[in-house]
Amino acid sequence: AQSVTQLGSHVSVSEGALVLLRCNYSSSVPPYLFWYVQYPNQGLQLLLKYTSAATLVKGINGFEAEFKKSETSFHLTKPSAHMSDAAEYFCAVTPGAGSYQLTFGKGTKLSVIP
Amino acid sequence: DAGVIQSPRHEVTEMGQEVTLRCKPISGHDYLFWYRQTMMRGLELLIYFNNNVPIDDSGMPEDRFSAKMPNASFSTLKIQPSEPRDSAVYFCASSSGLTQYFGPGTRLLVL
Repeated sequence: AQSVTQLGSHVSVSEGALVLLRCNYSSSVPPYLFWYVQYPNQGLQLLLKYTSAATLVKGINGFEAEFKKSETSFHLTKPSAHMSDAAEYFCAVTPGAGSYQLTFGKGTKLSVIP
Repeated sequence: DAGVIQSPRHEVTEMGQEVTLRCKPISGHDYLFWYRQTMMRGLELLIYFNNNVPIDDSGMPEDRFSAKMPNASFSTLKIQPSEPRDSAVYFCASSSGLTQYFGPGTRLLVL
């Protein structure tokens, strides 16, 4: 079984500051991990995914995430926050091959202060 | 590509009425997923299909919920009878592999 824990339901950062959104996972098999972003009144959009290749994954809009097996973490970062980054971010896990069922975390709402 | 299409975008109905939500997946995708999003429970997978066949419906809350996929380009999620606690945003997603592509959602309000 898989599970995802996102630490902090709400994170506020100043424009230009580092963004760090935390995700820890639990999986009985090597996982595939995802970050999705949801803008108000919209569906979820894929930011990036880890599929057992490089542990540092680069995504859209300047975001990246690092897979750390020893810490069972997949934290999302962006060096400099922009106002347009304000949204809700979801971490998700799937066992992958043969089962594409995603288990999502509860989400972290990011606010960017001008 | 048009992406995943859902209709209606908003639905307001009264308790006891039947509600039908519709989804058109991305052409060529062989997986289709239905999710429900609420403040209390977050994103929950209700059911998913592979090649039009339901694979796992363990997330369907109760018998009032049913889903069908009569062909590769269309799926429905039906609630009958609807109850106020069914108020939520319902998302459809499709994939041909690991990455799921989400529709814009249907915001359902049951009065």
